[in-house]
Amino acid sequence: DAKTTQPPSMDCAEGRAANLPCNHSTISGNEYVYWYRQIHSQGPQYIIHGLKNNETNEMASLIITEDRKSSTLILPHATLRDTAVYYCIVPYTGNQFYFGTGTSLTVIP
Amino acid sequence: DAGVTQSPTHLIKTRGQQVTLRCSPKSGHDTVSWYQQALGQGPQFIFQYYEEEERQRGNFPDRFSGHQFPNYSSELNVNALLLGDSALYLCASSSWDRAWTEAFFGQGTRLTVV
Repeated sequence: DAKTTQPPSMDCAEGRAANLPCNHSTISGNEYVYWYRQIHSQGPQYIIHGLKNNETNEMASLIITEDRKSSTLILPHATLRDTAVYYCIVPYTGNQFYFGTGTSLTVIP
Repeated sequence: DAGVTQSPTHLIKTRGQQVTLRCSPKSGHDTVSWYQQALGQGPQFIFQYYEEEERQRGNFPDRFSGHQFPNYSSELNVNALLLGDSALYLCASSSWDRAWTEAFFGQGTRLTVV
C-alpha cells in the first residue's frame, strides 16, 4: 500500500503556480519523499525529492513541513504541458515505489 | 547518455503464451525494478533485481519471473498469459548503494493479450 495520500484531481490556470499537497503522516526519520509525474501512459518522469529541507530544481520546488508529515510540490508557472498525473511517493526498503492513485492536474488555458 | 531503454515498445500475444520484455538501465545504475500499470491505475511494483538476484517482490504470482545479466540489463518473463496481464510494463533503474537518489523510468512496453 502507498504511504501517501493525495487529492484525486486539481485544476490550475496557465501561468499560475500549481500547489500539489501530499500527506505522509507515517513517514520515518530517514525516509525521503519523491515526486514523479506521468503524462498519458508515458513512463513516470522524476521531478524532485527531499528529506527534510525544502528543495528546488529547474522543474519545481518541494516544501516539507517541519514535522515531515506533509509536503507540497510547487510548479511555479504552470503550462499546458504540465497537465499530468502527479505521484507523491515514500518508498519502502530498497526503493520499492508504491504509487497510489496520484493527483490528476489539469492546467487550464 | 541514454536513459532507461525498454524493448519492444508494443507487443500483442495470445492467451496462454509466454512473453519476454527487456530493459537496459541508465548508465551508472545497477538496480532494476519492474512495474505493471493497468489502464487507469498507478504502477504496481512487481520485483527488483540487484547483483543478478531478486531482492524484493510485490504481490505477483510465480508466472512473473525475471533475470538480471552481468551488464545490469534485465528481462521480465510472464508465462501462461491471461487477458488481465494486458498492461503497460515499466522498468526503473537506480543505484543500490545510493538508494536515496532518484530512480529513472523507461517509456514502457505496452502488452496486449488477446
